[in-house]
Amino acid sequence: DADVTQTPRNRITKTGKRIMLECSQTKGHDRMYWYRQDPGLGLRLIYYSFDVKDINKGEISDGYSVSRQAQAKFSLSLESAIPNQTALYFCATSDPGRAWGYTFGSGTRLTVV
Amino acid sequence: SQKIEQNSEALNIQEGKTATLTCNYTNYSPAYLQWYRQDPGRGPVFLLLIRENEKEKRKERLKVTFDTTLKQSLFHITASQPADSATYLCALVNYGGSQGNLIFGKGTKLSVKP
Repeated sequence: DADVTQTPRNRITKTGKRIMLECSQTKGHDRMYWYRQDPGLGLRLIYYSFDVKDINKGEISDGYSVSRQAQAKFSLSLESAIPNQTALYFCATSDPGRAWGYTFGSGTRLTVV
Repeated sequence: SQKIEQNSEALNIQEGKTATLTCNYTNYSPAYLQWYRQDPGRGPVFLLLIRENEKEKRKERLKVTFDTTLKQSLFHITASQPADSATYLCALVNYGGSQGNLIFGKGTKLSVKP
C-alpha cells in the first residue's frame, strides 16, 4: 500500500455540490497538508495540520474546509464547488522537527462543471 | 514580496549531457531547500535537501548547490537519460506566515532527448 493514499483519484462534480476528498497515511507523521496545483501557478497550500487538534489555514483556504479525524486521516471539503476549483489536489505528510522531504499522495483530479 | 523562481519553464537537452536547473528566491532566509521530481499526473517525489550551511550535496547522478549570498540553488543531473524527463520543483521552508511550511517554485520541465 502507498504511504499516502488519496481518494478518489478522479472526480467530476457539478457547481454547487459539496464534495469531500480524503487522505490517509501510514507514515505515522503528525503533520499533514493539502495543496492544489494549477498549470502555471504551481503548488499552493490550502490547509495544514500539525496534529489532530491543530488546523491552520494556508495561502488559499477560502471555499475549503478540512477535518483531521485521526493522526492518519485528513479530509478536504469543498462546501459548494465552483468551476475555478477545478485542479489537481495533493495531500502530503511530513515528520515534525526534521528537515526531511514531504511524502505526497498521488493526487485527486477534480473537475467542477 | 517573497518569491521563488525557477529560471525556465522548460529545458531540452541531449541524452548524456548535464542538465542544470536554477532556483532563485527573494525575501526569504530559508534554513534549507529541497528538490522534488514530479511526473505527469503524479505527486512530487522528494529527491534532495540541502541546508543553509552546506554548499553542495550529492546523490548518485544528482548534485545540488546552495548559495545563500546569491539566494540561489542549482540542481544538476549528470549523464542525463530520457528517464530523467520530468518536472523538477524546488521548495523552501517559509518561517513566515505559514509557520515552517514548504513553499514551492512553479517547476522546470526537463526533456531529455535520445
